[in-house]
Amino acid sequence: GIQVEQSPPDLILQEGANSTLRCNFSDSVNNLQWFHQNPWGQLINLFYIPSGTKQNGRLSATTVATERYSLLYISSSQTTDSGVYFCAPDYGNNRLAFGKGNQVVVIP
Amino acid sequence: GAGVSQSPSNKVTEKGKDVELRCDPISGHTALYWYRQSLGQGLEFLIYFQGNSAPDKSGLPSDRFSAERTGGSVSTLTIQRTQQEDSAVYLCASSPHVGYGYTFGSGTRLTVV
Repeated sequence: GIQVEQSPPDLILQEGANSTLRCNFSDSVNNLQWFHQNPWGQLINLFYIPSGTKQNGRLSATTVATERYSLLYISSSQTTDSGVYFCAPDYGNNRLAFGKGNQVVVIP
Repeated sequence: GAGVSQSPSNKVTEKGKDVELRCDPISGHTALYWYRQSLGQGLEFLIYFQGNSAPDKSGLPSDRFSAERTGGSVSTLTIQRTQQEDSAVYLCASSPHVGYGYTFGSGTRLTVV
C-alpha cells in the first residue's frame, strides 16, 4: 500500500545546530507538502514542493521525485522550531497521505 | 477571511448525540478539505470539496459522517450518533484549487463522553 516513511522519528537539537529530515514515499506524486505542527497543534504549511529545491529563511526543502524522497533542512535551529514535521505527498487522488512525522525538540 | 476559521474550537458531547463542526475557508479558495487527527491513527483524510461538489467521499469512516459545502464557501461536517472512537481533532484546510498548497485551520477538538 501507499507508504510515507519519515526519519528520524525523534530528534533533539541544541539551539543553533543544523539538521536534515527525510521523507521516503512509495509511488509517483502529483505534489508533496511539508508541514510544521507546533506544540499548540497548529499545522503550518512550510513548502509545496513536488520537485526541485525551495528555500524559505532558515528552512529549505528538496524533492527528488524520480527517487521518491524529499528532504527538509533546518539551519541554525531555534527553540521555536520545536514540534512535529510532517511530509505529505499527494499520489494523484487529491488527498494528502501524512507520514507519522519527525518529532523535533530544540533545547536552548 | 485572512485564515481558515473553525468552530467550535472545543466540543464535548455525550455518546449518541449529533454534532456539527464548521469550517470557513480562505476567501476565494475553491478547494476545501477535512482531516482528523487522533493518537492512534495519525492524520487521516476524510473528504474534499471542489466548489460545492465532493467527488471523493471514500475517506468518511462510516455513514454516520456527512459533509456539505454551500456557496463555495462554508462547510459543515456532521457526525450523527457520536461514538467514543469519534474523539479526535477535526482539521479543515483550504487551497486556491485542488492540488495546490493547503492552509489549515486550528481544528475542533471533539471529545465524546
